[in-house]
Amino acid sequence: GAVVSQHPSRVICKSGTSVKIECRSLDFQATTMFWYRQFPKQSLMLMATSNEGSKATYEQGVEKDKFLINHASLTLSTLTVTSAHPEDSSFYICSARGQILGRANSPLHFGNGTRLTVT
Amino acid sequence: DQQVKQNSPSLSVQEGRISILNCDYTNSMFDYFLWYKKYPAEGPTFLISISSIKDKNEDGRFTVFLNKSAKHLSLHIVPSQPGDSAVYFCAARWPGNTPLVFGKGTRLSVIA
Repeated sequence: GAVVSQHPSRVICKSGTSVKIECRSLDFQATTMFWYRQFPKQSLMLMATSNEGSKATYEQGVEKDKFLINHASLTLSTLTVTSAHPEDSSFYICSARGQILGRANSPLHFGNGTRLTVT
Repeated sequence: DQQVKQNSPSLSVQEGRISILNCDYTNSMFDYFLWYKKYPAEGPTFLISISSIKDKNEDGRFTVFLNKSAKHLSLHIVPSQPGDSAVYFCAARWPGNTPLVFGKGTRLSVIA
């Protein structure tokens, strides 16, 4: 089945530094990947849609200059949290949709998430 | 304004009995609905889905029911097992290659 790999799984950084999170589709090509964020006991909130070869589309309230998304290939999207602050501490999860021939619908597959703690 | 709602934050069921998780949605343009299971510090794992043209989809112990007129779907797990204990998210999406909209999740505890 479709596998999405996300790295790192956990990162602790100091306020003001930048953190890069990688998301790879391992056995399929993903022209579109989605980045979500989850705060404790809350739902998964869509941050942005990452499109291979073009600019990402950000949801309202998500700062594009703070959360830089690069989707340089069909199997890799990266999210960089720039100048991180404690309020950016959260669980970040990427996802991609594996296309199954002959099926109009296919589910999103998620990475294992990255727990970011900014001190 | 939440478009996908899971009104029960938690549910406790005895092993072997049926677990019923409920989900309501407000947007009639959603055409595809999914259930995900999530453990702490892990990404959601896809469980089962249903297209809006169907009212039932079954996969082993898991069955999803969709009532379009009521904008309601439910996930039935029979029989429930301790390993089913997790947070279950209901999700929906519009037609096309669109992202998922998630509910807040329901924490299921299956007691042995």
